[in-house]
Amino acid sequence: ILNVEQSPQSLHVQEGDSTNFTCSFPSSNFYALHWYRWETAKSPEALFVMTLNGDEKKKGRISATLNTKEGYSYLYIKGSQPEDSATYLCAFMRNYGQNFVFGPGTRLSVLP
Amino acid sequence: ETGVTQTPRHLVMGMTNKKSLKCEQHLGHNAMYWYKQSAKKPLELMFVYNFKEQTENNSVPSRFSPECPNSSHLFLHLHTLQPEDSALYLCASSQDQGNSPLHFGNGTRLTVT
Repeated sequence: ILNVEQSPQSLHVQEGDSTNFTCSFPSSNFYALHWYRWETAKSPEALFVMTLNGDEKKKGRISATLNTKEGYSYLYIKGSQPEDSATYLCAFMRNYGQNFVFGPGTRLSVLP
Repeated sequence: ETGVTQTPRHLVMGMTNKKSLKCEQHLGHNAMYWYKQSAKKPLELMFVYNFKEQTENNSVPSRFSPECPNSSHLFLHLHTLQPEDSALYLCASSQDQGNSPLHFGNGTRLTVT
């Protein structure tokens, strides 16, 4: 059974703060990692598709890095805004064609 | 608009009822998925269809029965469910069963009484 972990489970930050959280996955085999944002009452939305060790992706104020050798990915949010409040999920694929295993998510609340 | 539409949004059913969840995508994707989100648990994969063929059944009880008549439509037939089956059921699609990102519907919130 693959174990994909995310930390912290939840966090509260003030508007304007920068924050980051972690996704950990087995480092033995790696094919891909995805990040999703899931806002309340909406559907999860893909943020990043990451495949190569050392990958760094950016979308506006949100960026992500990937370390496949040690089995982790960081998601950073610069200057958090209330609209960033959501649950952030990572999903790990060990080998091509195997299905993604999701982490439990990090629930972010940005207070105005 | 996510491109993946699920109906109904909410469903309350008794343990002896039979109901179906419907999912529709017009993104031209070839793979479709059913996921279950129970309280305080990660998203759990239930079934996968790729080019209308079922490629994954993640040890799901037979009271859940999927159907994929074509690449655009996916159903989840429910019968004799248990209260512990109450959860959010999410449908998703992707271009293929490889590394393509998943596109999710809004889910059906199911309550079994």
